[in-house]
Amino acid sequence: GEDVEQSLFLSVREGDSSVINCTYTDSSSTYLYWYKQEPGAGLQLLTYIFSNMDMKQDQRLTVLLNKKDKHLSLRIADTQTGDSAIYFCAESAGYSSASKIIFGSGTRLSIRP
Amino acid sequence: KAGVTQTPRYLIKTRGQQVTLSCSPISGHRSVSWYQQTPGQGLQFLFEYFSETQRNKGNFPGRFSGRQFSNSRSEMNVSTLELGDSALYLCASSLEGRRAEETQYFGPGTRLLVL
Repeated sequence: GEDVEQSLFLSVREGDSSVINCTYTDSSSTYLYWYKQEPGAGLQLLTYIFSNMDMKQDQRLTVLLNKKDKHLSLRIADTQTGDSAIYFCAESAGYSSASKIIFGSGTRLSIRP
Repeated sequence: KAGVTQTPRYLIKTRGQQVTLSCSPISGHRSVSWYQQTPGQGLQFLFEYFSETQRNKGNFPGRFSGRQFSNSRSEMNVSTLELGDSALYLCASSLEGRRAEETQYFGPGTRLLVL
């Protein structure tokens, strides 16, 4: 069945890079997403990658996709205190943003001074 | 441009009651999706509406239903509430919901507590 797994917690020092990992099971996934949720707020789409891509970079964010291993990662360079949040990995087997999306359990990123 | 708004923000109900949650999408957005977020099950897709029609549906029982009005505002209804329905209910809107790169904008959610 469809499943997306992430580690629950990650702690990094301010200024270091954060790498959040995710594995998924649905090989038919067409899009993979990273969302950010800050306390008391809804979800914010950070970035997405199409399944035929290996890498996507957007400012401080780098997404790497290993389709063979069904492994997705999000690297945040120069991590700041404002990056403290829960990060959700998600997959979609459809071609629309409103197709059924399967979310991981979220990784809580905390920043040490 | 105003963001996605959800009302009410907090709600307390008792088992067996029913509840209606409301979502107003960003102006011009026609696709509205609903999600349930709980500590145990995480984020789960409920359903998506476009042009007043349910276009996609997750794996939830029939107690969960929704509708969309001609102005794209959407409501979801949960009947015969159970303790396990306690959750944060998130609404998201997008322009057409037809392309994956189309950004979904999420509202702040309605936190429902069932006693």
